[in-house]
Amino acid sequence: QQQVKQSPQSLIVQKGGIPIINCAYENTAFDYFPWYQQFPGKGPALLIAIRPDVSEKKEGRFTISFNKSAKQFSLHIMDSQPGDSATYFCAANPAGGTGNQFYFGTGTSLTVIP
Amino acid sequence: DAGITQSPRHKVTETGTPVTLRCHQTENHRYMYWYRQDPGHGLRLIHYSYGVKDTDKGEVSDGYSVSRSKTEDFLLTLESATSSQTSVYFCATRLGGGHEQYFGPGTRLTVT
Repeated sequence: QQQVKQSPQSLIVQKGGIPIINCAYENTAFDYFPWYQQFPGKGPALLIAIRPDVSEKKEGRFTISFNKSAKQFSLHIMDSQPGDSATYFCAANPAGGTGNQFYFGTGTSLTVIP
Repeated sequence: DAGITQSPRHKVTETGTPVTLRCHQTENHRYMYWYRQDPGHGLRLIHYSYGVKDTDKGEVSDGYSVSRSKTEDFLLTLESATSSQTSVYFCATRLGGGHEQYFGPGTRLTVT
């Protein structure tokens, strides 16, 4: 059973557009929500992360919006560039005894057209 | 990069043979992880380690075993490889007390 559900599976936008990737979870024990970016042939790399005590976090052109009551969070990429073309994964990490485990979404393949 | 290397980077093996993948880190991170990445499934945790000789199962541990005899090395063994274990395998590390995971470059394993 997928602990973190991610959509869409793929996304194509024009340069300058704002792609949005959504994730949802059920386990209320999750207290850390990172997003990873992966380029072909490489390992994933941490992009940005949020904790549930804030509703939004921005780092450069990347923004996470978090809705604790709906158990949803999303990644927005402002002024998207062709270099942002990659696969993006959301993830969740629980607090407490199982806090060593990370649960990943199924990934979104983003293509930014010049 | 967090100084993580994986070996081999590519391997083709036959069904029923044993396979060992190695992850080596130079960062002295406490936690180490093995994931597999498959289309439509994202990254799924196989096993992880929270210290030397301390390991635990992830969500897809059947058919895999691990060992960690020193801080810098985490080995993943497929005792008898099956075609369903064809995948890209990623090692990751995490500094104790922090949340960020650092991933290695991956090993592409094909079981024929």
